[in-house]
Amino acid sequence: QSALTQPRSVSGSPGQSVTISCTGSYTVGGYRYVSWYRHLPGKAPKLMIFDVNKRPSGVPDRFSGSNSGNTASLTISGLQAEDEADYYCCSYAGTSTSVVFGGGTKLTVL
Amino acid sequence: QVQLVQSGAEVKKPGASLRVSCKASGYTFTGYYLHWVRQAPGQGLEWMGWINPDNAVTNYAQNFQGRVTMTRDTSVSTSYMEVNSLRSDDTAVYYCAKLGDSGEFASWGQGTLVTVSS
Repeated sequence: QSALTQPRSVSGSPGQSVTISCTGSYTVGGYRYVSWYRHLPGKAPKLMIFDVNKRPSGVPDRFSGSNSGNTASLTISGLQAEDEADYYCCSYAGTSTSVVFGGGTKLTVL
Repeated sequence: QVQLVQSGAEVKKPGASLRVSCKASGYTFTGYYLHWVRQAPGQGLEWMGWINPDNAVTNYAQNFQGRVTMTRDTSVSTSYMEVNSLRSDDTAVYYCAKLGDSGEFASWGQGTLVTVSS
């Protein structure tokens, strides 16, 4: 069982915003590093957000991250059909420690 | 650019051993930890552990301790992940991923499908 809890599924219509939560049994931010990944079948996961709220080059600014207490969140605004995928949060405590992934959230664009 | 290229798909029988390789290029191999992650059918991403290619120190997730071994060969910039005593529930896609300076996995291998079946 994952130590990071995500909703199994979320949905939204094109143009709307959705937020995916990632709740830890203790302070997610206490893991120091929080990142988010998009995963499509047959593909490698793609980094969407790192260090809580930073976007890698090439990721649209429709994707944003935040962290409050024991919950990290990924918000996708202006939903597009291509955003439909599984999304995973990931937390890492720092050098020489362990990593944990959330259970994943399936995003459906209606 | 950073590339991680993994070995090809494998079919194994229960009880057998598996070795997946991950060849790195485009960066200093010994400068970044390499992690291994797997996804079983219908399941989420599962972190397996990491290796520090500089000194070969490893850290395995509790679920895999005693059954997984991660090694590296710096002469060919390649990391290896071995799983022994394979079971049917080890059927999964296995990924290697390079950990960046901000605890992020920006670079992933293409994945290796492993099927364990009698």
